[in-house]
Amino acid sequence: DAKTTQPTSMDCAEGRAANLPCNHSTISGNEYVYWYRQIHSQGPQYIIHGLKNNETNEMASLIITEDRKSSTLILPHATLRDTAVYYCIVRGMPNTGTASKLTFGTGTRLQVTL
Amino acid sequence: KAGVTQTPRYLIKTRGQQVTLSCSPISGHRSVSWYQQTPGQGLQFLFEYFSETQRNKGNFPGRFSGRQFSNSRSEMNVSTLELGDSALYLCASSVRGQGVPNYGYTFGSGTRLTVV
Repeated sequence: DAKTTQPTSMDCAEGRAANLPCNHSTISGNEYVYWYRQIHSQGPQYIIHGLKNNETNEMASLIITEDRKSSTLILPHATLRDTAVYYCIVRGMPNTGTASKLTFGTGTRLQVTL
Repeated sequence: KAGVTQTPRYLIKTRGQQVTLSCSPISGHRSVSWYQQTPGQGLQFLFEYFSETQRNKGNFPGRFSGRQFSNSRSEMNVSTLELGDSALYLCASSVRGQGVPNYGYTFGSGTRLTVV
Protein backbone atom coordinates (compact mmCIF):
# COMPACT_ATOMS: atom_id res chain seq x y z
CA ASP A 1 0.00 0.00 0.00
CA ALA A 2 1.17 3.54 -0.69
CA LYS A 3 2.63 5.47 2.22
CA THR A 4 0.80 8.52 3.56
CA THR A 5 2.18 11.61 5.28
CA GLN A 6 0.10 13.75 7.62
CA PRO A 7 0.92 16.61 9.99
CA THR A 8 1.36 15.41 13.55
CA SER A 9 -1.16 17.82 15.04
CA MET A 10 -3.56 20.64 14.21
CA ASP A 11 -5.80 23.00 16.13
CA CYS A 12 -9.18 24.29 15.06
CA ALA A 13 -11.65 26.65 16.69
CA GLU A 14 -15.11 25.26 17.31
CA GLY A 15 -17.52 26.18 14.53
CA ARG A 16 -14.78 26.69 11.98
CA ALA A 17 -13.86 24.34 9.18
CA ALA A 18 -11.07 21.88 9.90
CA ASN A 19 -8.94 21.05 6.85
CA LEU A 20 -6.73 18.01 7.35
CA PRO A 21 -4.16 17.40 4.61
CA CYS A 22 -2.66 14.11 3.54
CA ASN A 23 0.14 13.41 1.11
CA HIS A 24 0.11 10.11 -0.80
CA SER A 25 2.46 10.81 -3.67
CA THR A 26 3.10 7.12 -4.44
CA ILE A 27 -0.56 6.20 -4.79
CA SER A 28 -1.30 3.96 -7.74
CA GLY A 29 -4.21 4.30 -10.11
CA ASN A 30 -6.45 1.73 -8.51
CA GLU A 31 -5.88 2.64 -4.87
CA TYR A 32 -8.51 4.42 -2.81
CA VAL A 33 -8.04 7.06 -0.14
CA TYR A 34 -9.85 6.32 3.12
CA TRP A 35 -10.18 8.43 6.23
CA TYR A 36 -10.80 7.11 9.72
CA ARG A 37 -10.69 8.83 13.06
CA GLN A 38 -10.09 7.55 16.55
CA ILE A 39 -11.49 9.28 19.56
CA HIS A 40 -9.61 8.55 22.76
CA SER A 41 -10.02 4.98 24.00
CA GLN A 42 -12.40 3.99 21.22
CA GLY A 43 -11.92 1.99 18.03
CA PRO A 44 -11.32 3.85 14.75
CA GLN A 45 -14.42 5.18 13.02
CA TYR A 46 -14.85 5.28 9.24
CA ILE A 47 -15.39 8.79 7.88
CA ILE A 48 -15.22 8.81 4.10
CA HIS A 49 -13.35 7.42 1.10
CA GLY A 50 -12.72 8.30 -2.55
CA LEU A 51 -10.86 7.32 -5.69
CA LYS A 52 -10.49 10.43 -7.83
CA ASN A 53 -13.64 12.50 -7.47
CA ASN A 54 -14.42 14.71 -4.52
CA GLU A 55 -16.81 13.09 -2.09
CA THR A 56 -19.18 14.40 0.57
CA ASN A 57 -21.25 12.71 3.23
CA GLU A 58 -22.95 13.73 6.44
CA MET A 59 -19.67 13.75 8.34
CA ALA A 60 -17.16 15.36 6.01
CA SER A 61 -15.94 16.22 2.53
CA LEU A 62 -12.94 14.70 0.78
CA ILE A 63 -11.05 16.70 -1.80
CA ILE A 64 -8.57 14.74 -3.93
CA THR A 65 -6.16 16.61 -6.17
CA GLU A 66 -6.27 15.92 -9.88
CA ASP A 67 -2.94 14.08 -9.81
CA ARG A 68 -4.21 12.12 -6.77
CA LYS A 69 -0.98 12.71 -4.89
CA SER A 70 -2.69 14.47 -2.02
CA SER A 71 -6.08 14.93 -0.44
CA THR A 72 -7.80 17.05 2.19
CA LEU A 73 -10.45 15.99 4.65
CA ILE A 74 -12.79 18.84 5.52
CA LEU A 75 -14.96 18.94 8.62
CA PRO A 76 -17.16 21.92 7.74
CA HIS A 77 -18.13 23.00 11.26
CA ALA A 78 -15.85 21.39 13.80
CA THR A 79 -17.19 20.70 17.28
CA LEU A 80 -15.43 19.66 20.46
CA ARG A 81 -16.56 16.09 19.77
CA ASP A 82 -14.44 16.08 16.61
CA THR A 83 -11.28 16.14 18.72
CA ALA A 84 -9.56 12.91 17.68
CA VAL A 85 -6.68 11.38 15.74
CA TYR A 86 -7.47 11.36 12.03
CA TYR A 87 -5.90 8.69 9.82
CA CYS A 88 -5.51 8.93 6.07
CA ILE A 89 -5.13 5.46 4.54
CA VAL A 90 -4.44 4.34 1.00
CA ARG A 91 -6.03 1.03 0.25
CA GLY A 92 -5.88 -1.40 -2.63
CA MET A 93 -8.64 -2.50 -4.95
CA PRO A 94 -11.71 -3.89 -3.21
CA ASN A 95 -11.91 -7.63 -2.76
CA THR A 96 -8.19 -8.09 -3.25
CA GLY A 97 -5.71 -9.24 -0.66
CA THR A 98 -4.22 -5.77 -0.22
CA ALA A 99 -7.63 -4.25 0.37
CA SER A 100 -8.40 -6.49 3.30
CA LYS A 101 -6.09 -4.73 5.70
CA LEU A 102 -5.76 -1.11 6.69
CA THR A 103 -2.25 0.29 7.04
CA PHE A 104 -2.46 3.08 9.61
CA GLY A 105 0.18 5.78 9.80
CA THR A 106 0.65 8.06 12.78
CA GLY A 107 -2.31 10.26 11.87
CA THR A 108 -3.09 13.88 12.72
CA ARG A 109 -4.18 14.76 16.22
CA LEU A 110 -6.91 17.39 15.77
CA GLN A 111 -7.67 19.50 18.81
CA VAL A 112 -10.89 21.51 18.58
CA THR A 113 -11.01 24.38 21.04
CA LEU A 114 -13.63 26.84 22.25
CA LYS B 1 -28.27 -2.82 15.07
CA ALA B 2 -25.62 -3.92 17.56
CA GLY B 3 -22.06 -2.95 16.81
CA VAL B 4 -18.90 -4.97 17.08
CA THR B 5 -18.62 -6.47 20.54
CA GLN B 6 -15.29 -7.30 22.11
CA THR B 7 -14.82 -9.09 25.38
CA PRO B 8 -13.37 -8.68 27.88
CA ARG B 9 -12.90 -4.92 27.93
CA TYR B 10 -9.85 -5.08 30.20
CA LEU B 11 -7.49 -7.89 31.07
CA ILE B 12 -4.38 -8.26 33.20
CA LYS B 13 -2.13 -11.25 32.64
CA THR B 14 1.27 -12.37 33.81
CA ARG B 15 4.27 -12.93 31.55
CA GLY B 16 4.30 -16.44 30.15
CA GLN B 17 0.56 -16.92 30.36
CA GLN B 18 -1.73 -17.17 27.39
CA VAL B 19 -4.85 -15.15 26.65
CA THR B 20 -7.92 -15.45 24.46
CA LEU B 21 -9.87 -12.43 23.26
CA SER B 22 -13.30 -12.57 21.70
CA CYS B 23 -14.99 -10.56 18.98
CA SER B 24 -18.60 -10.70 17.79
CA PRO B 25 -19.04 -8.91 14.45
CA ILE B 26 -22.04 -6.94 13.32
CA SER B 27 -24.85 -9.28 12.38
CA GLY B 28 -24.45 -10.30 8.76
CA HIS B 29 -20.76 -9.42 8.55
CA ARG B 30 -18.60 -12.40 7.70
CA SER B 31 -15.16 -10.79 7.80
CA VAL B 32 -13.32 -10.11 11.04
CA SER B 33 -9.94 -8.41 11.28
CA TRP B 34 -7.72 -7.93 14.29
CA TYR B 35 -5.38 -5.04 15.03
CA GLN B 36 -2.91 -4.28 17.79
CA GLN B 37 -2.43 -0.71 18.99
CA THR B 38 0.55 0.36 21.09
CA PRO B 39 1.95 3.83 21.79
CA GLY B 40 5.21 2.93 20.07
CA GLN B 41 4.01 1.09 16.97
CA GLY B 42 0.55 2.56 16.48
CA LEU B 43 -2.18 0.48 14.86
CA GLN B 44 -0.90 -2.68 13.23
CA PHE B 45 -2.80 -5.33 11.33
CA LEU B 46 -2.67 -8.81 12.84
CA PHE B 47 -4.89 -10.97 10.63
CA GLU B 48 -8.22 -11.25 8.91
CA TYR B 49 -10.71 -14.10 8.86
CA PHE B 50 -13.47 -14.65 6.37
CA SER B 51 -15.71 -17.69 6.20
CA GLU B 52 -13.69 -19.39 8.95
CA THR B 53 -10.43 -19.09 6.99
CA GLN B 54 -7.50 -16.77 7.58
CA ARG B 55 -7.28 -14.60 4.46
CA ASN B 56 -4.53 -12.18 5.32
CA LYS B 57 -1.83 -11.96 7.95
CA GLY B 58 0.38 -9.21 9.30
CA ASN B 59 3.96 -9.43 10.53
CA PHE B 60 3.48 -10.90 13.97
CA PRO B 61 5.12 -13.96 15.51
CA GLY B 62 3.39 -17.30 15.62
CA ARG B 63 2.42 -16.70 19.25
CA PHE B 64 -0.44 -14.67 17.83
CA SER B 65 -3.17 -16.81 16.34
CA GLY B 66 -6.84 -16.63 15.67
CA ARG B 67 -9.84 -18.47 14.46
CA GLN B 68 -13.34 -17.81 13.27
CA PHE B 69 -16.45 -19.82 13.97
CA SER B 70 -19.35 -20.66 11.70
CA ASN B 71 -21.38 -17.81 13.21
CA SER B 72 -18.56 -15.40 12.22
CA ARG B 73 -17.51 -14.78 15.80
CA SER B 74 -13.75 -14.70 16.12
CA GLU B 75 -11.19 -15.28 18.82
CA MET B 76 -7.55 -14.37 18.92
CA ASN B 77 -5.04 -16.08 21.14
CA VAL B 78 -1.65 -14.93 22.34
CA SER B 79 0.54 -17.55 23.93
CA THR B 80 3.60 -17.08 26.14
CA LEU B 81 2.77 -13.47 26.84
CA GLU B 82 5.55 -10.89 26.87
CA LEU B 83 5.52 -7.43 28.43
CA GLY B 84 5.54 -5.96 24.92
CA ASP B 85 2.21 -7.58 24.18
CA SER B 86 0.52 -5.01 26.40
CA ALA B 87 -1.73 -3.17 24.00
CA LEU B 88 -5.23 -2.32 22.89
CA TYR B 89 -6.47 -5.14 20.68
CA LEU B 90 -9.11 -4.04 18.21
CA CYS B 91 -11.46 -6.11 16.14
CA ALA B 92 -13.17 -4.87 12.99
CA SER B 93 -15.92 -6.43 10.94
CA SER B 94 -16.91 -5.85 7.34
CA VAL B 95 -19.01 -7.20 4.51
CA ARG B 96 -15.92 -8.15 2.52
CA GLY B 97 -16.68 -10.89 0.05
CA GLN B 98 -20.39 -10.22 0.07
CA GLY B 99 -20.63 -8.27 -3.16
CA VAL B 100 -20.06 -4.82 -1.69
CA PRO B 101 -17.20 -3.27 -3.68
CA ASN B 102 -16.07 -0.51 -1.34
CA TYR B 103 -16.71 -2.02 2.03
CA GLY B 104 -15.66 -0.20 5.13
CA TYR B 105 -14.68 -1.54 8.51
CA THR B 106 -16.55 -1.12 11.77
CA PHE B 107 -14.32 -1.35 14.79
CA GLY B 108 -15.14 -2.47 18.29
CA SER B 109 -13.99 -0.60 21.39
CA GLY B 110 -11.16 -3.02 21.94
CA THR B 111 -9.71 -5.14 24.71
CA ARG B 112 -6.98 -3.50 26.72
CA LEU B 113 -4.46 -6.15 27.69
CA THR B 114 -1.85 -5.45 30.32
CA VAL B 115 0.96 -7.95 30.80
CA VAL B 116 2.80 -7.71 34.11
